[in-house]
Amino acid sequence: QSALTQPASVSGSPGQSITISCTGTSSDVGSYNLVSWYQQHPGKAPKLMIYEVSKRPSGVSNRFSGSKSGNTASLTISGLQAEDEADYYCCSYAGSSVVFGGGTKLTVL
Amino acid sequence: QITLKESGPTLVKPTQTLTLTCTFSGFSLSTSGVGVGWIRQPPGKALEWLALIYWNDDKRYSPSLKSRLTITKDTSKNQVVLTMTNMDPVDTATYYCAHRAYDFWSGYPREFDYWGQGTLVTVSS
Repeated sequence: QSALTQPASVSGSPGQSITISCTGTSSDVGSYNLVSWYQQHPGKAPKLMIYEVSKRPSGVSNRFSGSKSGNTASLTISGLQAEDEADYYCCSYAGSSVVFGGGTKLTVL
Repeated sequence: QITLKESGPTLVKPTQTLTLTCTFSGFSLSTSGVGVGWIRQPPGKALEWLALIYWNDDKRYSPSLKSRLTITKDTSKNQVVLTMTNMDPVDTATYYCAHRAYDFWSGYPREFDYWGQGTLVTVSS
């Protein structure tokens, strides 16, 4: 199956909000509420930020939120902080397999 | 506290078989609902899911790599092993293992909630 489609990059100033989209198909994002989002800083392992479309693991800031409409999921980060600068990946269950997005580099200006 | 750590060769030659081991603690693969997956990331590129194994020995593979991958578990050692045959320079990547639970209530697997630090494997002659 093909990777989920994410914008290559997004940027925002401290305090602003940004949204990263993740577009799949009716075989993955559109069929299951099993989209997760991962934050990855350079040289580090990915960190789970959102699961099951909109749930936050314990310890993740409530500035991070997720949603889904049709075949597109979204990650919104409000009140941008310098520490949010990282790569973000979406991931979806796809029947008997798993598919990741191409990744989005978030730059905090 | 769940931890995972990948180990294996840092350098393999083209056509060779790669064997990676994920050693974990804080959970057991003999417990219902537990799974471990492998994900890789070429330098500067995106994450790519490779394989999954569950407590009941159910195994899942990436359709595009299925013919080259084998995932196994050793519950007594708390280890999961991934083998990838016929390695090529394009397989150069950091390989991660991660914990993934199965939700019996929904009937679906859950997210990758705990990750290892990753191990960089370079394929070169």
